Amino acid sequence: QITLKESGPTLVKPTQTLTLTCTFSGFSLSTSGVGVGWIRQPPGKALEWLALIYWDDDKRYSPSLKSRLTITKDTSKNQVVLTMTNMDPVDTATYYCAHIPDSYGQPDYWGQGTLVTVSS
Amino acid sequence: QSALTQPASVSGSPGQSITISCTGTSSDVGGYNYVSWYQQHPGKAPKLMIYEVSNRPSGVSNRFSGSKSGNTASLTISGLQAEDEADYYCSSYTSSSTLEVFGGGTKLTVL
Repeated sequence: QITLKESGPTLVKPTQTLTLTCTFSGFSLSTSGVGVGWIRQPPGKALEWLALIYWDDDKRYSPSLKSRLTITKDTSKNQVVLTMTNMDPVDTATYYCAHIPDSYGQPDYWGQGTLVTVSS
Repeated sequence: QSALTQPASVSGSPGQSITISCTGTSSDVGGYNYVSWYQQHPGKAPKLMIYEVSNRPSGVSNRFSGSKSGNTASLTISGLQAEDEADYYCSSYTSSSTLEVFGGGTKLTVL
């Protein structure tokens, strides 16, 4: 049974750096082909890909946010960490992590999401 | 602006069938059979309903079906039920970007 859970601050100030952790179970990020991705959803808006990391440490980033994002994995802890610098109120959103079963990048299992509000 | 185009809203009465379209290009929907559909109820995480254009994960009702023609994928829900009222998103593998793409979402209202 695959489960994922996001954790991190619920409120950050503008210009601060956001660090989110995805802790998962039911699979290993050392298994060939597997990945974990981060997707966000501003209130009332559509889903938006942020970043994805594969078992072999292949990392993919949203072209529009690449300069602000870093994704890393700790296979021994079953965790994936996303950092986003220079947070702005427009970054207010629910942030999801998701299990990626193969190199075609389609999420199958999702975490419950965590709402991050950017406000001073 | 999302890379994949979906209608903003669709509606139907209980028992009816509806279809939601998802239009992309030959670099994504039209070029690969890696299209997924997700259902999202308010305040909940997306749930995978269809993968690889037309496959249903275990536990998903057979009232949900997917297909593709050219650059357009479609999700059909037959025998509409009140519980089907939700937002639906399509997703596709793409060769033109480093990350996959989502549609803008479609709000399904069951009248």
